[in-house]
Amino acid sequence: AQKITQTQPGMFVQEKEAVTLDCTYDTSDQSYGLFWYKQPSSGEMIFLIYQGSYDEQNATEGRYSLNFQKARKSANLVISASQLGDSAMYFCAMRERGYGQNFVFGPGTRLSVLP
Amino acid sequence: KAGVTQTPRYLIKTRGQQVTLSCSPISGHRSVSWYQQTPGQGLQFLFEYFSETQRNKGNFPGRFSGRQFSNSRSEMNVSTLELGDSALYLCASSPETSANTGELFFGEGSRLTVL
Repeated sequence: AQKITQTQPGMFVQEKEAVTLDCTYDTSDQSYGLFWYKQPSSGEMIFLIYQGSYDEQNATEGRYSLNFQKARKSANLVISASQLGDSAMYFCAMRERGYGQNFVFGPGTRLSVLP
Repeated sequence: KAGVTQTPRYLIKTRGQQVTLSCSPISGHRSVSWYQQTPGQGLQFLFEYFSETQRNKGNFPGRFSGRQFSNSRSEMNVSTLELGDSALYLCASSPETSANTGELFFGEGSRLTVL
């Protein structure tokens, strides 16, 4: 069975500072993908970053980076230089082996960026 | 390139009625999946279609059904609505190519309220 845990229901960060959103996962598969999505109040889920289980380097996409610690089964999202527009819900998700769209999502973390 | 389009965006129904939601994927995307998002259960996978065939199904009762047409557009139907079906229903599409990480591209959702 898959499970995604996000232990921070809400986080506050000052504008221009960095913030780390935690994500741990549980799977018995060797091949899986980890994703982070952002959901603003409009409701649309926006893809941020992807990490494959066999990727040796941490993924980075602009201000987003993923701190992947496979042995600990953690995939934390780091947002550098926070902006007011980063205020949103953030979801960690996992897809086990191969293709397919059966993603398992965590409960999410609500990030609020303070001016 | 147009994104994933979902209609209607908002709708109100009463218990016992049925509802049909529509999703047009990004042009060229052949995989479409549906997710239900509620405050209590979070994001839950409903089903996935690829080339007009249901490829995967989540743990939802038979009142929830879907289909995909030859142009990849998809519909989902919920019959005999219950109060607990009130949710944001998100549709996602994916290009399903080996060069792609497999991220999902989401629409803005259809918000269903059951009275």
